[in-house]
Amino acid sequence: KAGVTQTPRYLIKTRGQQVTLSCSPISGHRSVSWYQQTPGQGLQFLFEYFSETQRNKGNFPGRFSGRQFSNSRSEMNVSTLELGDSALYLCASSQGLAGRTDTQYFGPGTRLTVL
Amino acid sequence: AQSVAQPEDQVNVAEGNPLTVKCTYSVSGNPYLFWYVQYPNRGLQFLLKYITGDNLVKGSYGFEAEFNKSQTSFHLKKPSALVSDSALYFCAVRDIFYTGRRALTFGSGTRLQVQP
Repeated sequence: KAGVTQTPRYLIKTRGQQVTLSCSPISGHRSVSWYQQTPGQGLQFLFEYFSETQRNKGNFPGRFSGRQFSNSRSEMNVSTLELGDSALYLCASSQGLAGRTDTQYFGPGTRLTVL
Repeated sequence: AQSVAQPEDQVNVAEGNPLTVKCTYSVSGNPYLFWYVQYPNRGLQFLLKYITGDNLVKGSYGFEAEFNKSQTSFHLKKPSALVSDSALYFCAVRDIFYTGRRALTFGSGTRLQVQP
């Protein structure tokens, strides 16, 4: 099975712009979660989608949003970019049927640099 | 609230020696615990998880982890380290009472350096 894919792998944006990142989960997986990884804050949960519905959200401002499509692919959007948004954005997929025992499988990430 | 602590920023070990990467957790109920590894410019790769049952969990690439409820620990171990094991290791927890939420809470990571 193909793993989780994320596009693009690298992005350079300037402050004030917006950006959209894409994630394709493992085939058959219905849950997609997004995480932000920075040297200072480590790995932080952004949000989770299951069957096109946002199920949970982390402590991020409203500039961070996402959605999930009927084929389970997900996008996240960051508007009005700030320097502090520079990070590796990781997408993780899981079957979504095993509840708390679900194993999340991660994609390679999108490296966003905000100048 | 749940939390995970990885007390060592870096662990150095010689190739062929056993390695241990430490992890302690805090949750309100019974924990589901995970270990992931991250190589440079890569995402996280799943190594193993503890759900219930045997306290010694075996995972990928020869790694294992020991769950200790009384010490609230879930240390990652490998009998014989390889240079290729050098990477960043993350421990993560999901609280069984964290209803409906699949999100993982991660530790700060431990960099493992295996010297030839």
